[in-house]
Amino acid sequence: DGGITQSPKYLFRKEGQNVTLSCEQNLNHDAMYWYRQDPGQGLRLIYYSQIVNDFQKGDIAEGYSVSREKKESFPLTVTSAQKNPTAFYLCASSSRDRFPTGELFFGEGSRLTVL
Amino acid sequence: AQSVTQPDIHITVSEGASLELRCNYSYGATPYLFWYVQSPGQGLQLLLKYFSGDTLVQGIKGFEAEFKRSQSSFNLRKPSVHWSDAAEYFCAVAGRRGGGNKLTFGTGTQLKVEL
Repeated sequence: DGGITQSPKYLFRKEGQNVTLSCEQNLNHDAMYWYRQDPGQGLRLIYYSQIVNDFQKGDIAEGYSVSREKKESFPLTVTSAQKNPTAFYLCASSSRDRFPTGELFFGEGSRLTVL
Repeated sequence: AQSVTQPDIHITVSEGASLELRCNYSYGATPYLFWYVQSPGQGLQLLLKYFSGDTLVQGIKGFEAEFKRSQSSFNLRKPSVHWSDAAEYFCAVAGRRGGGNKLTFGTGTQLKVEL
């Protein structure tokens, strides 16, 4: 079955540590996205990539970094510079970089807790 | 820039009752409009979308939504709610001019269904 796989599902880290969240898709989609979800705030865009080796900052990129070396992979690193990293992180992908053909498909998310 | 308002944070309905979740958007023209549903600890699933044409759109699981340009609204409805509909619902918009297909999400409405 085609889809988006995020790992790990749950992750704990100590303050000051960097952590990388994995996102892999086998849908052959060009565009990939990272969203952060906090209770009562909906989803906010962190980074997105429309093509391999290219990515752009979203609305809340500070303290995060990404890479897009392969079409199917878009890992997100939460750095120690992110002041409030505890959140639910969602990865998404779409076949095109704009609507109406580029519907977003979401993974099941990764919950990061900073201790 | 576009924005979305979901005025109801929580809604409780009885099983079998009708449901309407409100969504208002701000955008200079007609945007692309979406409703997503999220079960606890899961990713988002697309319920329905509006791009153009008929302003009443049908989605999965018996949901429908009506685009009303004059009210800048895209309310989600279901005639008879089932206990399995309990989840969080997100309205989202995307601009038609530039910006690729980045979605702007509302803050969500948590639906509780009483048996």
